[in-house]
Amino acid sequence: DAGITQSPRHKVTETGTPVTLRCHQTENHRYMYWYRQDPGHGLRLIHYSYGVKDTDKGEVSDGYSVSRSKTEDFLLTLESATSSQTSVYFCAIQRGGGPYNEQFFGPGTRLTVL
Amino acid sequence: ILNVEQSPQSLHVQEGDSTNFTCSFPSSNFYALHWYRWETAKSPEALFVMTLNGDEKKKGRISATLNTKEGYSYLYIKGSQPEDSATYLCAFSSTGNQFYFGTGTSLTVIP
Repeated sequence: DAGITQSPRHKVTETGTPVTLRCHQTENHRYMYWYRQDPGHGLRLIHYSYGVKDTDKGEVSDGYSVSRSKTEDFLLTLESATSSQTSVYFCAIQRGGGPYNEQFFGPGTRLTVL
Repeated sequence: ILNVEQSPQSLHVQEGDSTNFTCSFPSSNFYALHWYRWETAKSPEALFVMTLNGDEKKKGRISATLNTKEGYSYLYIKGSQPEDSATYLCAFSSTGNQFYFGTGTSLTVIP
């Protein structure tokens, strides 16, 4: 158990509304990631963070922003949700960063945009 | 964006059968290949990290091999059990911190 929680676990919202998903870790790791999981696409990286206030884009970052003001929290915001952002969102942490260290995943948040 | 492909997309086997599936990835700028096991309604869990050409890793009845020159990895399950039913993901990592995941192979073991 890597001590990762995500909130909310389920959310239904309407097109055009802002949505913020929270990822919380208890182990103070620098590296945190947000992925989305869609049928036929596997896990795709949205944004990641390598420290407080240090973030970078992944392959599907359009329409999303992130913030990391504390080591333990990594927030993902959909400024104006669209139906194409209906997905399951997973947060992950990595002990040490880099290509060799495995990532540990949170339980996921299922988001439905109507 | 790097292309990581897994085959087959899904697989049904009888309990006791051995099975294997493939992950294909770019052979250039290779650093590591990760295998994950993902059970329904749970989070992906790491199985193996493989870094060197010719690497072989084993955990119980599950093993994996790596060929970085031709860009593929095989995952083998010997004597499949119903509890092995899951989706098996591979992820390619190059420089930096990004992992590129395949779409997974969904394994169903029929009792």
